[in-house]
Amino acid sequence: QVQLQESGPRLVKPSQTLSLTCTVSGASVRSGSYYWSWLRQPAGKGLEWIGRIYTSGNINYNPSLMSRLVLSVDASKNQFSLNLTSVTAADTAVYFCATETVVGTKNWFAPWGQGTLVTVSS
Amino acid sequence: DIQLTQSPSSLSASVGDRVTITCHASQDITDFLNWYQQKPGEAPKLLIYDASNLETGVPSRFSGRGSGTDFTFTISSLQPEDFATYFCQQYDKLPTFGQGTKLEIK
Repeated sequence: QVQLQESGPRLVKPSQTLSLTCTVSGASVRSGSYYWSWLRQPAGKGLEWIGRIYTSGNINYNPSLMSRLVLSVDASKNQFSLNLTSVTAADTAVYFCATETVVGTKNWFAPWGQGTLVTVSS
Repeated sequence: DIQLTQSPSSLSASVGDRVTITCHASQDITDFLNWYQQKPGEAPKLLIYDASNLETGVPSRFSGRGSGTDFTFTISSLQPEDFATYFCQQYDKLPTFGQGTKLEIK
């Protein structure tokens, strides 16, 4: 089955870049059946979709984050990554990577990585 | 953005109770709606996709229905392991989530 694991620094200073990587096992990031997605959840709050990348290189970003966000895929390592620039305390959250399964016009997020808490603080 | 409004935001219930959560979309999303369960410290888990389809392995006490702008999620008989937070999510446009409903033990 597909499994995902987030990795990256847990503490980032304000104005710097938050970088996370998601390692995929059980499926290829080249698969046409999935989008590879990032989501986040501030403590005690709801879920926010950040963006997704498809095997073709097609990328969709949350418009509210688009100016600071870069998503990429490294097929040789079966990983995908997130870079969020110019972070502030408002970017402190648990960050999840997730598989967005696509079946025709239908899609859903499953499975998810376990999530990693990233704190923005000096 | 398509806004999803869940109600209630929190709910107290007892084991064996039937509970229903509603999710209202700010525009017509046909049946492009999923439901997730999240327990503290864990990632969300898909329960229902396409408004009414039960994910494989999910108990049949969970169900969903609706289309257009109004959707419901029901647990027919609460079990101890069901106390969690539940989110709806639409994918008619770029994905958005409801704010969540926290289900607590009465």
